[in-house]
Amino acid sequence: GESVGLHLPTLSVQEGDNSIINCAYSNSASDYFIWYKQESGKGPQFIIDIRSNMDKRQGQRVTVLLNKTVKHLSLQIAATQPGDSAVYFCAEKEGYSTLTFGKGTMLLVSP
Amino acid sequence: EAGVTQSPTHLIKTRGQQVTLRCSPISGHTSVYWYQQALGLGLQFLLWYDEGEERNRGNFPPRFSGRQFPNYSSELNVNALELEDSALYLCASVRDRGTGGGNTEAFFGQGTRLTVV
Repeated sequence: GESVGLHLPTLSVQEGDNSIINCAYSNSASDYFIWYKQESGKGPQFIIDIRSNMDKRQGQRVTVLLNKTVKHLSLQIAATQPGDSAVYFCAEKEGYSTLTFGKGTMLLVSP
Repeated sequence: EAGVTQSPTHLIKTRGQQVTLRCSPISGHTSVYWYQQALGLGLQFLLWYDEGEERNRGNFPPRFSGRQFPNYSSELNVNALELEDSALYLCASVRDRGTGGGNTEAFFGQGTRLTVV
């Protein structure tokens, strides 16, 4: 299930399930989006990106969906593994400008 | 290809002191972003440098400053340290300017963990 923790919303899933992490972005003019994974004590790791002229992009076990109408971005992880446990951040960018991050979602994968 | 490197990895300072953090971007990347991440929280934008110029700064006091060198490496300076400056300071290296048509993948270093006591 999904719950709001002390600082971050948390998504708890079983190993093998598909996970969907959501992000509402703020700037309707943003034209580039990135998903990052951050494990404890480490810097964010680039997962996948998407430009605003696309609504879906697939990587290895991951899919990003973009809905510009409602300013919503999602990251789908297929066959979630314990190693996927981390905090996931979305980031948005408008042209030549600052990369702005969302608040993050913690994904907990149980064996 | 080496990734983004930050130094030092950990640092303990006393209130009122000054600190300098360093970042070396990926070879060929001209832009560097600095972010502050307090424990358990998200990434707060600090500064953005590109081609040696400061392009934007976040909502932080002037005691947070930095610069970018001709080789595109960057420093973040924090003066008059306060307890709430304790955080992970992250540097990201960007491949291009994202002026449309191209990707703007930003890759992060492992960060510098600053503790102010």
